[in-house]
Amino acid sequence: SQQGEEDPQALSIQEGENATMNCSYKTSINNLQWYRQNSGRGLVHLILIRSNEREKHSGRLRVTLDTSKKSSSLLITASRAADTASYFCATDAKETSGSRLTFGEGTQLTVNP
Amino acid sequence: EAQVTQNPRYLITVTGKKLTVTCSQNMNHEYMSWYRQDPGLGLRQIYYSMNVEVTDKGDVPEGYKVSRKEKRNFPLILESPSPNQTSLYFCASSPWTLAYEQYFGPGTRLTVT
Repeated sequence: SQQGEEDPQALSIQEGENATMNCSYKTSINNLQWYRQNSGRGLVHLILIRSNEREKHSGRLRVTLDTSKKSSSLLITASRAADTASYFCATDAKETSGSRLTFGEGTQLTVNP
Repeated sequence: EAQVTQNPRYLITVTGKKLTVTCSQNMNHEYMSWYRQDPGLGLRQIYYSMNVEVTDKGDVPEGYKVSRKEKRNFPLILESPSPNQTSLYFCASSPWTLAYEQYFGPGTRLTVT
């Protein structure tokens, strides 16, 4: 079964609004990564947060990690139409020690101009 | 330009006809991996390689083979394709020996009839 599960499955907002996506996972992790995928294209790495970190920023992206709840969130502030894409979380489980990532099913974000 | 390339990008074939999807990266990355993406199932790892001559199974290795004879190339071989291998395939590489910050290829859309 998938380690990471994103919520919601789909999100539609207006340009300028903030978008929040959540990811839950099941086992202990070394780190959690977020990726973006434009329709049918390869994924692009956005940000990596380690298990001992609680929050990380990169430009308009803010990622939080709560290991006690086994959950992470990705916040995109001041969204733009170009942010329209699918967003995936991927976990590096302690048991596999960095050799593998397990991806969730993704959140489809639509930003309307 | 630093990139991961895959060939072919699109392929329609028939059941049982052996095929190879090539993957090459020009970034001197240690780690390489193959994923398949199916609607409702997200990305699932097929095989990965942490170094030359070192490969290991991911979550869905059945029906696939790989080899890593040199650092830059990681071909995916389907010895006897079946319709349930119809999918979108991605190759990825990482500058680490681990599955961190992966760079993805553009994808290969395979249809097996």
